[in-house]
Amino acid sequence: DQQVKQNSPSLSVQEGRISILNCDYTNSMFDYFLWYKKYPAEGPTFLISISSIKDKNEDGRFTVFLNKSAKHLSLHIVPSQPGDSAVYFCAALTGTASKLTFGTGTRLQVTL
Amino acid sequence: KAGVTQTPRYLIKTRGQQVTLSCSPISGHRSVSWYQQTPGQGLQFLFEYFSETQRNKGNFPGRFSGRQFSNSRSEMNVSTLELGDSALYLCASSPTSASREQYFGPGTRLTVT
Repeated sequence: DQQVKQNSPSLSVQEGRISILNCDYTNSMFDYFLWYKKYPAEGPTFLISISSIKDKNEDGRFTVFLNKSAKHLSLHIVPSQPGDSAVYFCAALTGTASKLTFGTGTRLQVTL
Repeated sequence: KAGVTQTPRYLIKTRGQQVTLSCSPISGHRSVSWYQQTPGQGLQFLFEYFSETQRNKGNFPGRFSGRQFSNSRSEMNVSTLELGDSALYLCASSPTSASREQYFGPGTRLTVT
């Protein structure tokens, strides 16, 4: 039962353009969402998060949007840079539990 | 601050053996969680420790166990290794058990032959 889904396994974007990574969830008890970036042979790196009481959170080039009614969140990267090429995971939390439920990841490739 | 460190980084074991992996959290962090990453199942939560007590546990068999020491360092142990236990084992730390963001170490790549 995949409670957090990233339906696009890969995405290719040109340098300087916007990258949009999508994530859907089914568990309405999730109240906090996070995005992580992962390079091969490294652990995930925390990027940005959003609480369910908000619909947008911005940090530099990264913006996360949350649509609770649609149970959908997205990560926007503007402008995309070659160093952004990695696998991106969305993850969700419930209440005070610390168990992160991860999506399957989207591999982003930023081309020159 | 130094990040989360995990040792060893790579490990090869034989079926039936047991293995212990170690994790040192970020200084001052008291919560440590463990995750398993495999190509088939993705990233899955194993367990979380806070103040030397297991607070949460994922859906893994009893062969997977862990502990946390008074200095917040944590170990996980897998007994009677199976081929399917080959995975990247990731440790994450956070300041408290109620903290939302978790910070990951580089992982230990375990190969079971």
